[in-house]
Amino acid sequence: AQSVTQLDSQVPVFEEAPVELRCNYSSSVSVYLFWYVQYPNQGLQLLLKYLSGSTLVKGINGFEAEFNKSQTSFHLRKPSVHISDTAEYFCAVYSGGSNYKLTFGKGTLLTVNP
Amino acid sequence: GAVVSQHPSWVICKSGTSVKIECRSLDFQATTMFWYRQFPKQSLMLMATSNEGSKATYEQGVEKDKFLINHASLTLSTLTVTSAHPEDSSFYICSASGLAGRLNEQFFGPGTRLTVL
Repeated sequence: AQSVTQLDSQVPVFEEAPVELRCNYSSSVSVYLFWYVQYPNQGLQLLLKYLSGSTLVKGINGFEAEFNKSQTSFHLRKPSVHISDTAEYFCAVYSGGSNYKLTFGKGTLLTVNP
Repeated sequence: GAVVSQHPSWVICKSGTSVKIECRSLDFQATTMFWYRQFPKQSLMLMATSNEGSKATYEQGVEKDKFLINHASLTLSTLTVTSAHPEDSSFYICSASGLAGRLNEQFFGPGTRLTVL
């Protein structure tokens, strides 16, 4: 069985500050990892994904994440956040099965303050 | 590319009535569609997975007779909430996969807000 832990339910930061949203997973097999963003009353938008290859993955809106197999982590980072980055962020993992079923973390609410 | 739509975006209904939500992949053929439920300030809970032309696979604890899922074509899946009750009020999100070259990725619809009075 696979699971995803997002350690912080809420992360408040000031505009232009750096941010890291943490994600740890557990799985006994190789994984694909994803970060999604959800704005209020909207569906999910893919920020970035790790499938294989380089462990540093760059996504949209200036976000990046690093896959660390030894620490089973996939933390999301942005060097300078904007007010518009305020949203809920979900980490998700897929680790097998023909239907590519995802397991989501509980989400982290990022609030960027002026 | 890879756009998924949902209709309606919000619906209010009386207790005891049935509500149908549509999920469409607009520019690709979705071999698999997923239905999620999201409570306020919580994560997505997978309800069921459906493949075109076959019966949906429901997650443990999800009542298949209450949440009817149909995936009749490669671009359309429907979720019908039968005999809805206030506790069924939630945000329902669908996703679709099957885009060539990106089979491991799910593309999400904008969600449907259901309120049962």
